[in-house]
Amino acid sequence: SQELEQSPQSLIVQEGKNLTINCTSSKTLYGLYWYKQKYGEGLIFLMMLQKGGEEKSHEKITAKLDEKKQQSSLHITASQPSHAGIYLCGADRGDSNYQLIWGAGTKLIIKP
Amino acid sequence: NAGVTQTPKFQVLKTGQSMTLQCAQDMNHNSMYWYRQDPGMGLRLIYYSASEGTTDKGEVPNGYNVSRLNKREFSLRLESAAPSQTSVYFCASSESGSSGNTIYFGEGSWLTVV
Repeated sequence: SQELEQSPQSLIVQEGKNLTINCTSSKTLYGLYWYKQKYGEGLIFLMMLQKGGEEKSHEKITAKLDEKKQQSSLHITASQPSHAGIYLCGADRGDSNYQLIWGAGTKLIIKP
Repeated sequence: NAGVTQTPKFQVLKTGQSMTLQCAQDMNHNSMYWYRQDPGMGLRLIYYSASEGTTDKGEVPNGYNVSRLNKREFSLRLESAAPSQTSVYFCASSESGSSGNTIYFGEGSWLTVV
């Protein structure tokens, strides 16, 4: 079973619409990372969250970590074609300084 | 500004052949990692190197070996490739461990074993 659940698995959104991707753990997390992946470009770091209730924004992307530090959401406002790709969340469970666990990814398609 | 560079980008191997994936980073990072990515399974850690001179097994080390050649370079070797090793491989690095540090990834190496 996946220790870090991402939902939805895939998402098709009309350009200009908002969307949210979720990442959920059954255990408290010490850190939560969001990455974006495009074919042939590897993983691009978006944001890192460490504190309960923390929220960070970059351009039109906002990520939040809940107070219990078990769920994070990634929200995109007014989506654009450049937002298309696979979004991955990775988590630090606190049991190793080198081993993160990863969600399976959310594939985002933007319809023009 | 190269970051993490890995080669080759694509490779097709026959079962039983060996090959080495090369990785280099130019950020003076202490820690380096090799992950594999399979559909529906997210990233899984194969091996990591906390610092120059050390290597440790990750979640899925069987069938692989690694070498931390120096601070910059971390290679992954498949001694006798199997179809189950068909995957996308990512090398990554971070300043020192993953807790609280950004991990930087290479562009990936697509490996097919037939």
